[in-house]
Amino acid sequence: GAGVSQTPSNKVTEKGKYVELRCDPISGHTALYWYRQSLGQGPEFLIYFQGTGAADDSGLPNDRFFAVRPEGSVSTLKIQRTERGDSAVYLCASSRPGERETQYFGPGTRLLVL
Amino acid sequence: GDSVTQMEGPVTLSEEAFLTINCTYTATGYPSLFWYVQYPGEGLQLLLKATKADDKGSNKGFEATYRKETTSFHLEKGSVQVSDSAVYFCALKGGNKLVFGAGTILRVKS
Repeated sequence: GAGVSQTPSNKVTEKGKYVELRCDPISGHTALYWYRQSLGQGPEFLIYFQGTGAADDSGLPNDRFFAVRPEGSVSTLKIQRTERGDSAVYLCASSRPGERETQYFGPGTRLLVL
Repeated sequence: GDSVTQMEGPVTLSEEAFLTINCTYTATGYPSLFWYVQYPGEGLQLLLKATKADDKGSNKGFEATYRKETTSFHLEKGSVQVSDSAVYFCALKGGNKLVFGAGTILRVKS
């Protein structure tokens, strides 16, 4: 079946602009996670959704970052007033009910803020 | 807080050589442990996992054993192939999230 998909695959924007990154989890997966991976580093946790609600947003770096999952499937990560330091690969992952130990990752969105 | 430390790369080996990539962790309790792999141009894939002490995870000829005494989860393979060239990430499950190490680049030469 289809894996986790993310769009766009690449996004170039200018400092100060607003961006939205989309994640389509695997069908039937109720848990959804966002991570950020800077160059040469491992992914860092941003936020976790169980269904429609953000169950843990402790990894969001500041209030410019926000994520939604209104119908419990697709999620959008929103970044306001982008800064050059936001440049990274944003990864989405999902897991099936009762098996939150195993997360399936999408290919990521590479964000470049000029 | 929880953290994972893995050996710095790049690690460069000849085909059929033995591979070890060291990984140690700091965590509250006994988290599940994972190795993820990222092949060039591809997304992160789960390679293997272990959920409790002394468990051995294995897949595609790779193995790692959960060592509680040394808080380690070293990745090993007896004979690497060129196709194993990738970035390898050690990770633990802490609460709701995965905590990753910085990754180790493996390059295998023919």
